[in-house]
Amino acid sequence: QKEVEQDPGPLSVPEGAIVSLNCTYSNSAFQYFMWYRQYSRKGPELLMYTYSSGNKEDGRFTAQVDKSSKYISLFIRDSQPSDSATYLCAMTVTQYGNKLVFGAGTILRVKS
Amino acid sequence: GAVVSQHPSRVICKSGTSVKIECRSLDFQATTMFWYRQFPKKSLMLMATSNEGSKATYEQGVEKDKFLINHASLTLSTLTVTSAHPEDSSFYICSASDAIATLNYGYTFGSGTRLTVV
Repeated sequence: QKEVEQDPGPLSVPEGAIVSLNCTYSNSAFQYFMWYRQYSRKGPELLMYTYSSGNKEDGRFTAQVDKSSKYISLFIRDSQPSDSATYLCAMTVTQYGNKLVFGAGTILRVKS
Repeated sequence: GAVVSQHPSRVICKSGTSVKIECRSLDFQATTMFWYRQFPKKSLMLMATSNEGSKATYEQGVEKDKFLINHASLTLSTLTVTSAHPEDSSFYICSASDAIATLNYGYTFGSGTRLTVV
């Protein structure tokens, strides 16, 4: 079993839809959770960074962490074609200095 | 804040030669840097972790003599692919962290280097 499970998709949605991306993990030691967006042939760009259970909102993005269920989500409201990218969840045990463990990444396609 | 610059963005080299990739933290001191490799349509695979002034720690299966990592200062780490072969062609990405930068910005990544060995 992988430490972090993420459906690779692709996930195809119409413009304006609400997108839900999810990851599950098995290591209860993970305390810090990140969502990255990666466009083709570019480095990952941090979207959300959370370290407590609950919701965190930033513009059209909402990150949700449920440590009891070992489940994290990223919601994208009013999705745009420019949101088409690969979304990677990542998590780590300590705040810094420790390696990130990534999910497989979900390919998202937003159709106009 | 927390900007990581990676250079070059793209490089083509002949088989048997060596290639150096630089990763710089521009506005913070990166006590730890990470080097990843990414295959097409795959997730990031950690190659090694380097702490400033120390030898890098390589992940299982990564040849440390082929992928030389130097982290000589708090703002610069380099990855040298030695005696490159076509199978080393890939997308290489660095990441950097320190206590304050990570608290505010998480782990920051460079823009990646596409290496093609011909």
